[in-house]
Amino acid sequence: QKEVEQNSGPLSVPEGAIASLNCTYSDRGSQSFFWYRQYSGKSPELIMSIYSNGDKEDGRFTAQLNKASQYVSLLIRDSQPSDSATYLCAFYNTNAGKSTFGDGTTLTVKP
Amino acid sequence: NAGVTQTPKFQVLKTGQSMTLQCAQDMNHNSMYWYRQDPGMGLRLIYYSASEGTTDKGEVPNGYNVSRLNKREFSLRLESAAPSQTSVYFCASRPILRVNTEAFFGQGTRLTVV
Repeated sequence: QKEVEQNSGPLSVPEGAIASLNCTYSDRGSQSFFWYRQYSGKSPELIMSIYSNGDKEDGRFTAQLNKASQYVSLLIRDSQPSDSATYLCAFYNTNAGKSTFGDGTTLTVKP
Repeated sequence: NAGVTQTPKFQVLKTGQSMTLQCAQDMNHNSMYWYRQDPGMGLRLIYYSASEGTTDKGEVPNGYNVSRLNKREFSLRLESAAPSQTSVYFCASRPILRVNTEAFFGQGTRLTVV
C-alpha cells in the first residue's frame, strides 16, 4: 500500500466550477499536511497547509482534514484556467523529519 | 535572497558516468531533502538530512549517495549512472522539525542518462 494515495486524474472542470481533489494517507504519525501546485516544468509551490481537523480557507481554496479517516482534500472554487496544473498532496511526519508526496492529480480548467 | 539553488539545471550523462548534484540554501534551514520526479509521477524521496550531520534513506535510495557538507549544502551523488536514473531531481529545505513548516524547493535538475 502506498503511503499517499491521490484521486486518479486527469480532472477536467469548466471555468467557474468547483474542483475537488482528494488524498488519503497511511502514516498515523503524520502531523501536517500540504497541498502543492506544480506547473509543467516547474518546481512545486505551496498552496495550502493544514494541521488540525476541520476546514481551512484561503481565498478560493479550502483544505479539509480528517485525521480519524486519514483523509485530506482541497476544494478550488470559481476555478480559473490559470489553476490548470498538477496538484500534489504531502504529509509531514515531524518525528521522522520527512515529507512524503502523492503522485499528483492533473487538473485542467476549460474556458 | 536566492532561497534553494540547484546546480546544474540540465545534465546529460552516459551510462556508467558519475556526477554530483549540488544544492545550497541560504535560509538557515535545518532539514534538507532530495527528491526525484519521473514523468507523470509525484515526488519520491531519495535521501534526507533532518539536521546538519545526519542523513537518512528515503523511499528510493539505491544508486545514490549524499553528503550534508554543512548546514547550507546537501549534495547528491550518482556513482555509476543508469538510464533508470533519468529524471528531474528536486532539492528542498525546511526550517526545523516543527509541524507548521513548509518545504521550499529548488528549480530542479533535469538529468538524462543515455
